[in-house]
Order: sequence, then structure tokens, then C-alpha cells
Amino acid sequence: QKEVEQNSGPLSVPEGAIASLNCTYSDRGSQSFFWYRQYSGKSPELIMFIYSNGDKEDGRFTAQLNKASQYVSLLIRDSQPSDSATYLCAVPLPGNTPLVFGKGTRLSVIA
Amino acid sequence: EAGVTQFPSHSVIEKGQTVTLRCDPISGHDNLYWYRRVMGKEIKFLLHFVKESKQDESGMPNNRFLAERTGGTYSTLKVQPAELEDSGVYFCASSPRWTGAYEQYFGPGTRLTVT
Repeated sequence: QKEVEQNSGPLSVPEGAIASLNCTYSDRGSQSFFWYRQYSGKSPELIMFIYSNGDKEDGRFTAQLNKASQYVSLLIRDSQPSDSATYLCAVPLPGNTPLVFGKGTRLSVIA
Repeated sequence: EAGVTQFPSHSVIEKGQTVTLRCDPISGHDNLYWYRRVMGKEIKFLLHFVKESKQDESGMPNNRFLAERTGGTYSTLKVQPAELEDSGVYFCASSPRWTGAYEQYFGPGTRLTVT
């Protein structure tokens, strides 16, 4: 049974700071990892995926993957109040496409 | 392009009643998924359609839940009879045939409250 663990937060950072969101997963065979953002009362929205060890950058967002440590993180540079949301880490089920989600980390960016 | 839509947005029913949730995926998306988030828990997979066929229904909690996708377009999820523990937010997601997890678009969800 795959498990994805996240610190539920809330994580509070000042505007302009770097927010660091962390996720660990149980299945060493997992190959790809997804970060979703969910504003309160809205649908989850895919912001990044990563499948290679190392860093992947997209604008202010950087995903980091360390398969040896079974650890994936999301960094948000120059955090803005509009980044305040719950960030969900997800891993696909083996051989299939449905996702296993963590509980999510609630991020609050303080102006 | 219209996104994934779900109806109703909220539903409040009494224990023992029946509720039917509807999902309209993005046009042309063969994959359709149902997920559920119970208060305080993570979003959990319920089942997966490819067109009108059930590809994986391993996440369905019990036989009180029935999902259909007639004609491979919209899908319905019926709960009959509803129990208190069925309360939560039911999300639908869709993706093109071959992109699967890399391109899942979620609907806004249906918040179900069973009293």
C-alpha cells in the first residue's frame, strides 16, 4: 500500500521568502511525483511533476527529488500572498494512473 | 475549453437516502477518475474509467457505491443508502487517453453531507 506523508502545517512564511514544502513516500519503486495546489473550496490544480533525481525549475517553483531518501520537496521562491493554499503531493499507483495523495500542507504567506 | 464540471456543488441528505453525483469530463478525455476526501484525511482514489469501461474500482468502499459512465461521456456516482461516514468532498478528474497521471484535471468537487 503506497503512502505519501506530508506535514499538515500550517506553514507560515513572510512575503518574499522561500517556502519549503516536504513530502516522503513509502514505495521505493515510485517513479514520478506530482505537486498540486488547492485553494480553499477549489479543485486541485497540477503545478509541477518530477521523475528524475535532482531539481526541476518552473518559474518561482522548484521541485526536488531524492529517490534514495524517498523524499520530494517543493520550493516556492519570492512567496506571494496569492501562494497561500494547500499543497498536495501525489504519486501514481503502480501500473496505473490514479493518484495517491498526501494530506497536504497548508501554506500561509503573510504580507 | 470548458473544464471538468460536477453537479451538484453541495448536497445535504439524511442517512439512508440516495444521492447521485454527476461529473462531466473535459471533452475528448477518455480517462475519468473519482476521488473522495473525508474530513481530516487525504484525497483517496475511488475508481477509474477508460471510456465507458471500469479500469480500476479498487478504491470503492463498498457496494453502496455505484458508478456508471454510459456512452463514455459523463459519469454518475450513486450512493445508496447513504451513511454518515460517506460525508466528504467527491472529486472527479479527467485526462486524455495516454497521458494519465501527467495531465489530470480536477473538477471543483461535490460536498456531500449526510446527517
